[in-house]
Amino acid sequence: QKEVEQNSGPLSVPEGAIASLNCTYSDRGSQSFFWYRQYSGKSPELIMSIYSNGDKEDGRFTAQLNKASQYVSLLIRDSQPSDSATYLCAVKGGANSKLTFGKGITLSVRP
Amino acid sequence: EAQVTQNPRYLITVTGKKLTVTCSQNMNHEYMSWYRQDPGLGLRQIYYSMNVEVTDKGDVPEGYKVSRKEKRNFPLILESPSPNQTSLYFCASSERDREIYGYTFGSGTRLTVV
Repeated sequence: QKEVEQNSGPLSVPEGAIASLNCTYSDRGSQSFFWYRQYSGKSPELIMSIYSNGDKEDGRFTAQLNKASQYVSLLIRDSQPSDSATYLCAVKGGANSKLTFGKGITLSVRP
Repeated sequence: EAQVTQNPRYLITVTGKKLTVTCSQNMNHEYMSWYRQDPGLGLRQIYYSMNVEVTDKGDVPEGYKVSRKEKRNFPLILESPSPNQTSLYFCASSERDREIYGYTFGSGTRLTVV
């Protein structure tokens, strides 16, 4: 059974700070890694994807991948109250294109 | 607009009364999947479909059925709903065999079985 683990949270940071969200996965054959943001009662929204070791930046978001350590993270710079949401780590791999999700971590950005 | 459309958004039903939640996508995606989301358990895959007439079980398929007669539609069927199927359900779609693509999710269906 493939597993994706996230810190249980919640995580609270002040406005303008860097929020660091972490995720580990069990299947070494995993190929693609995603971060989704989910507001309460809404559907998950894809915010970052990463496939190669290293960093990938998109605006205030940076995804980091280390396949040797089976670790993927998301950094949110200059955090805003609108970033308050649950962040889901997801890992894709295998013949059936299945996306396996972590349980998510709730981020709260304090004004 | 590229989207996955689920209906209904909210549904309250009684135990044992058959129901269908519809899902349709307009992106010509081969891959479609159903998830349920429960507090503390996260998103769990119910069924998925790699293409028309090709479906398979996910992690929690008991009590559910699906069909894929057309590429755009992937309905979720509860033949005899029970209270433990009260949950938030999401349909999702993706291009097949494309590891670089994540899923596009529908808006969700909140189902309550009493």
